[in-house]
Amino acid sequence: DTAVSQTPKYLVTQMGNDKSIKCEQNLGHDTMYWYKQDSKKFLKIMFSYNNKELIINETVPNRFSPKSPDKAHLNLHINSLELGDSAVYFCASSQERINRAGGETQYFGPGTRLLVL
Amino acid sequence: QKEVEQNSGPLSVPEGAIASLNCTYSDRGSQSFFWYRQYSGKSPELIMFIYSNGDKEDGRFTAQLNKASQYVSLLIRDSQPSDSATYLCAVNDYKLSFGAGTTVTVRA
Repeated sequence: DTAVSQTPKYLVTQMGNDKSIKCEQNLGHDTMYWYKQDSKKFLKIMFSYNNKELIINETVPNRFSPKSPDKAHLNLHINSLELGDSAVYFCASSQERINRAGGETQYFGPGTRLLVL
Repeated sequence: QKEVEQNSGPLSVPEGAIASLNCTYSDRGSQSFFWYRQYSGKSPELIMFIYSNGDKEDGRFTAQLNKASQYVSLLIRDSQPSDSATYLCAVNDYKLSFGAGTTVTVRA
């Protein structure tokens, strides 16, 4: 059974389009995340939800909007796609929200490779 | 200013040797640190997490933490070709801040 799944795996689209990426986890975790990994492999957090509540909202263009219908799902909608949005987007989950001294393991999904032409 | 710095590599080591990966961080208040491994085209997976100064060993992996020097390292003993991957250092600042990763190649 896949623990953290994402759809689609690949997404090729034109500039200006709107697209969504879906994520589901079957681990019973309370916290989910969206990360962006650019071409230089730099992995950066974008958003985090804990029990459907937004708890981390990094400096991300407001064209990106996350939505968590329930704690097992976290979707990412991107409006007016730009060339610079091309990257791999990873969803992740952890049992609890991260605390300062914590060692919560984050489990990553397989990633969605987005290419904007 | 980057929060987490790693040598990007590539680091090439012969099979059976020790691979040594380094990571420095800027937030002196950081308390816990993670090493993730990422194979090419795959997602990151946790190798180890450390929060106390000193060494922590798990199989062939040893994480070392020195909070005074704001330095965390990962040693891979008896390196195998299957260890060839990018290793990501992450620092807990109420969110995980990742370094750019060090690419390791173990040559047979």
